[in-house]
Amino acid sequence: ETGVTQTPRHLVMGMTNKKSLKCEQHLGHNAMYWYKQSAKKPLELMFVYSLEERVENNSVPSRFSPECPNSSHLFLHLHTLQPEDSALYLCASSQGGGGGLHEQFFGPGTRLTVL
Amino acid sequence: QKEVEQNSGPLSVPEGAIASLNCTYSDRVSQSFFWYRQYSGKSPELIMSIYSNGDKEDGRFTAQLNKASQYVSLLIRDSQPSDSATYLCAVNAGAAGNKLTFGGGTRVLVKP
Repeated sequence: ETGVTQTPRHLVMGMTNKKSLKCEQHLGHNAMYWYKQSAKKPLELMFVYSLEERVENNSVPSRFSPECPNSSHLFLHLHTLQPEDSALYLCASSQGGGGGLHEQFFGPGTRLTVL
Repeated sequence: QKEVEQNSGPLSVPEGAIASLNCTYSDRVSQSFFWYRQYSGKSPELIMSIYSNGDKEDGRFTAQLNKASQYVSLLIRDSQPSDSATYLCAVNAGAAGNKLTFGGGTRVLVKP
């Protein structure tokens, strides 16, 4: 596996379900991100983990719960979602550190549909 | 006021012509700037990054940065139908380190 991988690629869930999205990066990076992309809206940053510590939480509802067990893996735990949470969820990674370009590389995304 | 602004398009370009995309940003402390290409149903793919004023060329792509005027542009030379996609401008807010703010994207259509 190379780059950034995400599973599952497609997910359909009911509002009472609990599911998790998984992201893995094979680039040796030390920062990972969750983004949400809804139709006709810009990419929205949800969470940032740098060196396995959460450094950004953009007022995301508590029904989204991130987990970063190590610098290569990132999870997004989902529970009691709403239909408006249906979107493409993208994971990205970058090499952090002062002065760097912080180029972010994206995984293929998980297309989530909440019924 | 949006932090990163792009014309949503579509920008219609004949095959072989130059496509010119613009992006303006509001945060003067921004340090790094990126262009991503996103095909329909796919994830964004990084195509250019720039952090110094002036031009940066990579193949058929040229990124231009003007920090005084707070804009960054992307030129696509010899446009091909395979260049038809949405192009996202992203800006790194320097003080926030690794946070990127994205524009809404410009949809480009290259017509044979």
